[in-house]
Amino acid sequence: GAGVSQSPSNKVTEKGKDVELRCDPISGHTALYWYRQSLGQGLEFLIYFQGNSAPDKSGLPSDRFSAERTGGSVSTLKIQRTQQEDSAVYLCASSSENTIYFGEGSWLTVV
Amino acid sequence: AQKVTQAQTEISVVEKEDVTLDCVYETRDTTYYLFWYKQPPSGELVFLIRRNSFDEQNEISGRYSWNFQKSTSSFNFTITASQVVDSAVYFCALSEPSNTGKLIFGQGTTLQVKP
Repeated sequence: GAGVSQSPSNKVTEKGKDVELRCDPISGHTALYWYRQSLGQGLEFLIYFQGNSAPDKSGLPSDRFSAERTGGSVSTLKIQRTQQEDSAVYLCASSSENTIYFGEGSWLTVV
Repeated sequence: AQKVTQAQTEISVVEKEDVTLDCVYETRDTTYYLFWYKQPPSGELVFLIRRNSFDEQNEISGRYSWNFQKSTSSFNFTITASQVVDSAVYFCALSEPSNTGKLIFGQGTTLQVKP
């Protein structure tokens, strides 16, 4: 597509439930990133993919968080047993020639 | 360690005023990129500019201009004749190609332009 596409745009879930967030990067972009933006916390890096592999997972906050990428394209960020502190905007980005373009984000609210 | 500091948390100006958003960075790499992004109330991060560490030439794009000073590790952003539509959160960021290219963001500056 023309830009980075994320779904769902909004998700409200109950504490303890699992959620999956999807990212469809710009066609042809091999690098893909997930970031999280929490109120008062700024933007924090979660994970980086180059193709289907994830050489940098250093930002994942706990083992409840995982991500995968298939076919060098779509990526899914999975959060298991959600907690209230997981409430945030999850931003996906893809990169070409050292410029990173962001999607509109998935707003996650854990109640 | 890499770090980006945007000391101004909030700035409020009246339309048509000029405003400068400050950004100071720290890195040990000799090759790096600096970015500015705009985040309007809708939430999407909009790419504004990328500057590489070997190019200190200032850049102007319409009402926007950027001043890159390697000697002071600063990459400041000026909006000339500000407009209400410029109201947003502006983020400065650093990336190091040798380190996955991931972005290290400053905390952001909220700019409010009043009519």
